[in-house]
Amino acid sequence: QTVVTQEPSFSVSPGGTVTLTCGLSSGSVSTSYYPSWYQQTPGQAPRTLIYSTNTRSSGVPDRFSGSILGNKAALTITGAQADDESDYHCVLFMGSGWVFGGGTKLTVL
Amino acid sequence: EVQLVESGGGLVQPGGSLRLSCAASGFTFSSYWMSWVRQAPGKGLEWVANIKQDGSEKYYVDSVKGRFTISRDNAKNSLYLQMNSLRAEDTAVYYCASLRRWAFDIWGQGTMVTVSS
Repeated sequence: QTVVTQEPSFSVSPGGTVTLTCGLSSGSVSTSYYPSWYQQTPGQAPRTLIYSTNTRSSGVPDRFSGSILGNKAALTITGAQADDESDYHCVLFMGSGWVFGGGTKLTVL
Repeated sequence: EVQLVESGGGLVQPGGSLRLSCAASGFTFSSYWMSWVRQAPGKGLEWVANIKQDGSEKYYVDSVKGRFTISRDNAKNSLYLQMNSLRAEDTAVYYCASLRRWAFDIWGQGTMVTVSS
């Protein structure tokens, strides 16, 4: 069974840079998995940030960027702001369906 | 305004059935693959099912195969999820979402399904 891995939690200082990752329990993540990233605050629906590895969704600030780093997909937030404090979910396309990671809770303090 | 609005959630007993609906507006619904994604309380997101623009292809996560059926009515700009033989582990907020370039694009606000006796 394919497991998508994410850091359970991360913290960043205001104005700082943080990179969240999205990996596979077995194997490497590549652009062929079309990794995408979503931001979610408590009680709200997810918001699409990044799709197809590195394409920002409409209206997403350019301080959010996506990439492949080593064998994982990555979401980098540059110049973190207080309202970036959220859960971040990645998902990989597996051919006939999608598998989400467990999500990363990002704290800005 | 581009919008997806889910409805039909509620409390149902184990083994029961429920039909979720998702009304689309502000975009050409018939041009997009559509999907359902759920989130159990305090847990991460889980893809449930998706359907092609004309309804000719449907895919499901293994845990719901044979119990859930996704469908759509392009004339009504609506997406549906028929859920049968519900289990406690199906308790979640269910979101509908449009698909674009192998990613979830527009999201609804979600509807809560609780399976409990």
